[in-house]
Amino acid sequence: GENVEQHPSTLSVQEGDSAVIKCTYSDSASNYFPWYKQELGKRPQLIIDIRSNVGEKKDQRIAVTLNKTAKHFSLHITETQPEDSAVYFCAASRRGSGNTGKLIFGQGTTLQVKP
Amino acid sequence: ETGVTQTPRHLVMGMTNKKSLKCEQHLGHNAMYWYKQSAKKPLELMFVYNFKEQTENNSVPSRFSPECPNSSHLFLHLHTLQPEDSALYLCASSQDRSAGYTDTQYFGPGTRLTVL
Repeated sequence: GENVEQHPSTLSVQEGDSAVIKCTYSDSASNYFPWYKQELGKRPQLIIDIRSNVGEKKDQRIAVTLNKTAKHFSLHITETQPEDSAVYFCAASRRGSGNTGKLIFGQGTTLQVKP
Repeated sequence: ETGVTQTPRHLVMGMTNKKSLKCEQHLGHNAMYWYKQSAKKPLELMFVYNFKEQTENNSVPSRFSPECPNSSHLFLHLHTLQPEDSALYLCASSQDRSAGYTDTQYFGPGTRLTVL
């Protein structure tokens, strides 16, 4: 069945360093790849997403890259700050005719940014 | 932050109790979702409703019963739950536009459920 693998499960970096989280997906028809950030005790919030018609998208310190051939996508956070500490989830979805988009989530990465 | 609300935020129930979780979205969306979030596991999709019609039931046990009276409200009725059902239950909504296009899902704050 559809599956999304996310690595690493935990990541610790020094403030100012970069962080990279990687996901692979199994369904080659997937065409939408969002990233969510979930702070402790809070709801998941979308931070960036990418669709299969582009290979890279950037929003300030956050960027996402997509390699459709290899079926993997990555989240890049530059100049990390302590407030970036959270759990990050990747997801993949495909939307055929007549059905609502179904997100398949990765297992999550706990990012700790040390001051 | 107030686009999708959930009540109650915390719920403790016994295995023989019946309770309901409520979700309301104020974003004018037409699709709503229930997810289960357990420790050490990815978010698991439970149910999807599109224009009040259930379009997905992800092999969820019958002790969980969803209800969607209109596009803004979604309920999850609980009865005879097991301790392993303890988790954070998240509601989400999206504006379902067209075939072939997946829209952003916005999450509620969740209900932390503990089954004793």
